[in-house]
Order: sequence, then structure tokens, then C-alpha cells
Amino acid sequence: DSGVTQTPKHLITATGQRVTLRCSPRSGDLSVYWYQQSLDQGLQFLIQYYNGEERAKGNILERFSAQQFPDLHSELNLSSLELGDSALYFCASSVGISSGNTIYFGEGSWLTVV
Amino acid sequence: GQQLNQSPQSMFIQEGEDVSMNCTSSSIFNTWLWYKQDPGEGPVLLIALYKAGELTSNGRLTAQFGITRKDSFLNISASIPSDVGIYFCAGPGGGGSNYKLTFGKGTLLTVNP
Repeated sequence: DSGVTQTPKHLITATGQRVTLRCSPRSGDLSVYWYQQSLDQGLQFLIQYYNGEERAKGNILERFSAQQFPDLHSELNLSSLELGDSALYFCASSVGISSGNTIYFGEGSWLTVV
Repeated sequence: GQQLNQSPQSMFIQEGEDVSMNCTSSSIFNTWLWYKQDPGEGPVLLIALYKAGELTSNGRLTAQFGITRKDSFLNISASIPSDVGIYFCAGPGGGGSNYKLTFGKGTLLTVNP
């Protein structure tokens, strides 16, 4: 158990819909990262927040957005869903701001768009 | 952006055999990380390398940070069935950010008991 909690674990939704994935980082971790894992693209960095502020952005679509709340939990919002958005979405956390810190991954949220 | 090329893509071995996999990059990394992902789980950090030429062990696992800083190797000795999983190399940076990790596509390891 990494200490990073993600909900829901599985989600099936229709195209065009919107979903929210939730992440609670490890106790004491200020940095939260979101990754997307698919068969063809592998693990792709989406976005990072540190203590409530966006710090780095990766290959995140405009239809996707995220935020980190004052209690440090984070949400990833996926809207106007397409079939190609089906993937495993991981949240990860670390103590500090640099990825030189050890990053701990949650178990992921499996999204299926039908 | 930065890309990590990981090979082989998959390996099917007998229990007890040694395994070797590697990762190469078109650009220099200052840190190399090796993760393992079990089915239904998130990636777990196995070994972190911070210095060119560094050789680090974690039980039956040994990883090396290449001298050129553009490659890294992971070896698993005397494999056991629980070694099954996907092994990823990763490095920080890419796209102008030192905050994100770039991952290789992974090596799927299957160990036949």
C-alpha cells in the first residue's frame, strides 16, 4: 500500500459524458501528479500540482482539467469523453516539488468509455 | 520531447534464469529510476540512480547508470515467479520541466515456474 488513495477504481461511462477522478496523496506529501496509462502510449504525464498550485503540464488535453484543494487532495476532471480516453489514470504524490523526490503511485482508476 | 526507448518489449523466461533489460535516451538524464508494475497495481519504485556510472543493488536486482548518462540497465538474478510484471525505466525532465517523469514503454516479464 503506497498510501496514495484513488477513487473510483473502475468507471464505465458513455461518450460525451464527464467524470471526476479523485486522489488523496500520502500523508505529508504536497505534490500530486496525474498520469495516463494506455496500451499504445504507455505512461504519460498529464499534470502536477504542488501545495495547491499547478507546477507542470504534460500531454493533457484541453478537455481535461485538474485541481488540488487546500486539504491537498486532487481531482482530475475529464469531459466530452471519447472512446480513446479509455485508460488507466494514476495519481502519484511526493513530498517535494522536484521529481528527484520519490514518487508514490496509487492503484489507479480504470476508465472505460463506451 | 524526451523519449526513453526500453528493450526488450517482453521476455518469457524460466524460473531461476537471470534477466537483463535496458533503457536508452536521446538526451542526457541526471537521474534514472526503475519501477515495477504488478497487475492491477500502480508502479512501485525499485531502484533510483543519481550518478553516472553508479551501480546499485536491491536484493536480486541490480541497476546501472550508464557513463554517457543516456542509458541504464536493470538486471534481475535468479528470477522467481513473483518477478512477473512490467518494468519501467523513468527519468525526470522533458518538455522544459524537471518536475515530471518520462517513462519508457516498459518490459513485460513472464516467469515460467
